Amino acid sequence: DSGVTQTPKHLITATGQRVTLRCSPRSGDLSVYWYQQSLDQGLQFLIQYYNGEERAKGNILERFSAQQFPDLHSELNLSSLELGDSALYFCASRRDTHYGYTFGSGTRLTVV
Amino acid sequence: DQQVKQNSPSLSVQEGRISILNCDYTNSMFDYFLWYKKYPAEGPTFLISISSIKDKNEDGRFTVFLNKSAKHLSLHIVPSQPGDSAVYFCAASDSGGGADGLTFGKGTHLIIQP
Repeated sequence: DSGVTQTPKHLITATGQRVTLRCSPRSGDLSVYWYQQSLDQGLQFLIQYYNGEERAKGNILERFSAQQFPDLHSELNLSSLELGDSALYFCASRRDTHYGYTFGSGTRLTVV
Repeated sequence: DQQVKQNSPSLSVQEGRISILNCDYTNSMFDYFLWYKKYPAEGPTFLISISSIKDKNEDGRFTVFLNKSAKHLSLHIVPSQPGDSAVYFCAASDSGGGADGLTFGKGTHLIIQP
């Protein structure tokens, strides 16, 4: 157990739908990062939050959004889902720049 | 464009020998490099990192070398063990400004043969 908790582990949904993925960071970690791993692709950085505020955006589609709540957990919202959004979505957390990133075990999203 | 490249999708090494995994990058702003190991159905696990102010970092059987002029880093595993069989990701970040999301390569699948 890495200390980063992601729910649900698996999600199957239809095209056009909207889903929410949840991440609880390690205790004390202020930064949360979301990554997407598609088939044959490395992990693509989507977005970073630090203590409730958006810090950086990567390759995140406009149909996707995220937020970090006062208790530091984060949610990634994916809307108008397409078949190509099927992927593993990982969350990672980090205390500050002197510490490494810790990843959760991911949410496998399948869009049918 | 891929800013972090791992050109070998897979690598097979005999148990007890040295495994060398390579990684190239193009963004000269990257100043922190990491290697992650990933087993199926699990998240990536941090292995070792190196700051751009160093050219070598060692942790037990794992050593990472950084050649900034060539924009190249490598991970050496000596001796290789069966439990090292996994996908290894090279990652880099530009930590300036506090926005430090990692840029990953596509990974190298290391297979340790008995």
